[in-house]
Amino acid sequence: GENVEQHPSTLSVQEGDSAVIKCTYSDSASNYFPWYKQELGKRPQLIIDIRSNVGEKKDQRIAVTLNKTAKHFSLHITETQPEDSAVYFCAASKPGTYKYIFGTGTRLKVLA
Amino acid sequence: KAGVTQTPRYLIKTRGQQVTLSCSPISGHRSVSWYQQTPGQGLQFLFEYFSETQRNKGNFPGRFSGRQFSNSRSEMNVSTLELGDSALYLCASSPSPVGPNTGELFFGEGSRLTVL
Repeated sequence: GENVEQHPSTLSVQEGDSAVIKCTYSDSASNYFPWYKQELGKRPQLIIDIRSNVGEKKDQRIAVTLNKTAKHFSLHITETQPEDSAVYFCAASKPGTYKYIFGTGTRLKVLA
Repeated sequence: KAGVTQTPRYLIKTRGQQVTLSCSPISGHRSVSWYQQTPGQGLQFLFEYFSETQRNKGNFPGRFSGRQFSNSRSEMNVSTLELGDSALYLCASSPSPVGPNTGELFFGEGSRLTVL
């Protein structure tokens, strides 16, 4: 069935260091891979996304890479700041649908 | 634009009861999805509605149901509540149809259900 595995479940980094979160999806028909950030007590919000026709996408300190052959995609955050502390969710979906399969989340703690 | 609005924000029920949750999407959004969020399980897809039709359904028992009205507002219902139904229920709206620039889900703040 459809599944998205996400690792690690928790990640602690020093302020200024980089953080990497990895996801693997099972359905090869998936073509859209968003990342959502959820701060404590708040709603999830989209921070970056990538489609299957692109291998990498950057937005300031955040980047996402996609390896379609291996069915892996990763979130990279550089120069981490305390406000980056949150739970991050990866997801995958197939064409023409808003049915997203989410990973189980990574709690990122940026230590000042 | 007003965001996605969910009511009630918090509710407590006992086993065996039923509950109805409401979601008002962003104006102009016609797709409404529902997700269950529990610690350790992340966000699990319940169902998605578009133009009053259920387009997709997740792997939840039949006790979980939903509907969408002509104004795109949506409700979900859980009957015969079980302890394991305690969770944050998130509604998300999206513009439609799904296309290259319409993948984003706009989430509400959720309805936190506690079943005793």
